[in-house]
Amino acid sequence: DVKVTQSSRYLVKRTGEKVFLECVQDMDHENMFWYRQDPGLGLRLIYFSYDVKMKEKGDIPEGYSVSREKKERFSLILESASTNQTSMYLCASSFLLTGRAGNTIYFGEGSWLTVV
Amino acid sequence: GQQLNQSPQSMFIQEGEDVSMNCTSSSIFNTWLWYKQDPGEGPVLLIALYKAGELTSNGRLTAQFGITRKDSFLNISASIPSDVGIYFCAGQRSGGSNYKLTFGKGTLLTVNP
Repeated sequence: DVKVTQSSRYLVKRTGEKVFLECVQDMDHENMFWYRQDPGLGLRLIYFSYDVKMKEKGDIPEGYSVSREKKERFSLILESASTNQTSMYLCASSFLLTGRAGNTIYFGEGSWLTVV
Repeated sequence: GQQLNQSPQSMFIQEGEDVSMNCTSSSIFNTWLWYKQDPGEGPVLLIALYKAGELTSNGRLTAQFGITRKDSFLNISASIPSDVGIYFCAGQRSGGSNYKLTFGKGTLLTVNP
């Protein structure tokens, strides 16, 4: 089974702190994604990466950065956390190839971040 | 970014009832995916559809890829309490950033025992 593991399930951080959310996948997937999920807004893509050291902005990249130093690991960074970044953050991964294998995205269990 | 129109937003049903939800888009998709998210967890893939007209089942779940490629529906038969959760549709186009999905906002399902 595909496993996408997020390092922290629940975090509480103070405004202005630097926050790291870590994600590891064990299926040798090329693509990795970070989403945030908020009530009434659904899943919104923050950043994604299709290869090591490669990244592209998603729909809401402001206030976030990412790092992909190894294929299996994708980190989301909040340089200076703000209260409006309180949310559930979901990491996901998939194969790069088109067709059936590439179209299916697998999610981690989520990280609940509260910024106070 | 564009989102799919998923309906209904929420449903409250009795155990044993059948459930139907759907997603529509103004754009054509080449793939439709249906996910379920349990409270406090990440979404889990239920069914993947890759061809227009395709009808696929997974236990009590059945999903179809619309002929126009602009819609998909998910049916759940004989609902049980553990069906509770949020169901998301997701669509994917070909070409360009072909690994990016567009998500619906979800259908919250509550099952009354």
